[in-house]
Parts: sequence; structure tokens; C-alpha cells
Amino acid sequence: LAKTTQPISMDSYEGQEVNITCSHNNIATNDYITWYQQFPSQGPRFIIQGYKTKVTNEVASLFIPADRKSSTLSLPRVSLSDTAVYYCLVPARGRDDKIIFGKGTRLHILP
Amino acid sequence: GAVVSQHPSWVICKSGTSVKIECRSLDFQATTMFWYRQFPKQSLMLMATSNEGSKATYEQGVEKDKFLINHASLTLSTLTVTSAHPEDSSFYICSARDIAGVIYNEQFFGPGTRLTVL
Repeated sequence: LAKTTQPISMDSYEGQEVNITCSHNNIATNDYITWYQQFPSQGPRFIIQGYKTKVTNEVASLFIPADRKSSTLSLPRVSLSDTAVYYCLVPARGRDDKIIFGKGTRLHILP
Repeated sequence: GAVVSQHPSWVICKSGTSVKIECRSLDFQATTMFWYRQFPKQSLMLMATSNEGSKATYEQGVEKDKFLINHASLTLSTLTVTSAHPEDSSFYICSARDIAGVIYNEQFFGPGTRLTVL
């Protein structure tokens, strides 16, 4: 399983764009990069997934450079409700496809 | 769509009793479900992988006789904490993977169950 490293915490202000970078130096060829969001006392929620270049949905964008050793989750114009923990995950094939969570990034949005 | 429910959402029990937590996929079928435990301010820790019709696969350090998992159908997995003790107090979360899912390995998480053992 590829190990991921991301900042423990980040602060930002309402209306700003927030970028959270995750490094996954030993990502395998078949691995996808997935981001989840978790609010306190709730289960995680899928945000976005990508394999290479850029992926965008109604919630976020995911930027992945050519070497795929890192990825950046971009949240446009954040609001207070975006305060949560964000997990960058690289599940591996062939091992029940289980997800091993790292420490995540605790994002705190300030008014 | 793709909703996972857990029941109960919270439970308080006395030390030594057993507690059963249900995880259901409401609108999809899941051959594989996963059980996690989360302590305050910590990340989710995978406990076991639950496969429909077969024995669960436990992560290293997780006692299979203490945390009994049953996955009797494609929409239901149960976790029973046997002889619970205060150190078992935690937030238990299940997830399920849609066998017909489009996004690779997308897992849908339940809302969690808060267990408090007195």
C-alpha cells in the first residue's frame, strides 16, 4: 500500500481557495488517488478521485503531476462548513481493495 | 443513492455485556464491507474486512473472538463487541463497496456508531 503524507492541519478564511497537497512517492502504476472528507462524529465522504492530470467535479479539483508522486486537492471559495478532516488515500489493488487511512489534514476555516 | 446506514447510532452499555452494531447498504449490494474504529482526534483504523458468505479478515492486533463479524447477505454486515470493556469505547464506522460501482474502489461510509462502555 502506498504511504501518503499530508499536512496535519491548515487554516484558511472564508472565500479563499484552499489547496491541500499529498505526497505518495511510492505510488504504483495501478493506484488511483482518492480524497475523502470527514466531519466530526460522521463517516467519511468521498470527494474526488483521479489517476493523472486534472479532475474536476462540483465540489473540488484534483491536480496530479505527470510523475504522480503527489496530488493537490483544491477547494474553491471555502466556507465555514468546509471545516473538516481531509484524507488522501491510495488504495491498492489485490488486497481486498481495503483503504488504510493516514492521519489526514485538519482544515479549519475562519470567518 | 449509495447510502449506508448503521444501527444504533449510539449505545451505552455496562462492562461485560455484548453489543451488536448493524451496517446496511440501503440501495446497493455490497459483497465487501469494512469495519473501522476511530478514537477522538485520531484517524480511522481498519479493523476487519467483511466478505459476504465467508469469514471476515481481521487486521493485525484485532481480536477476532472479541469483535465478531457476520456478513450474512449482500446488504447487511454486523459487528458484535463481546464482553465489552471501557477501553472498547470508541466510534465504530462501517463502509461498503458497491459491486456495480463505476468509480474504482469507491467506498460508502455509514454515519458511525458511538459506543460507550461504563
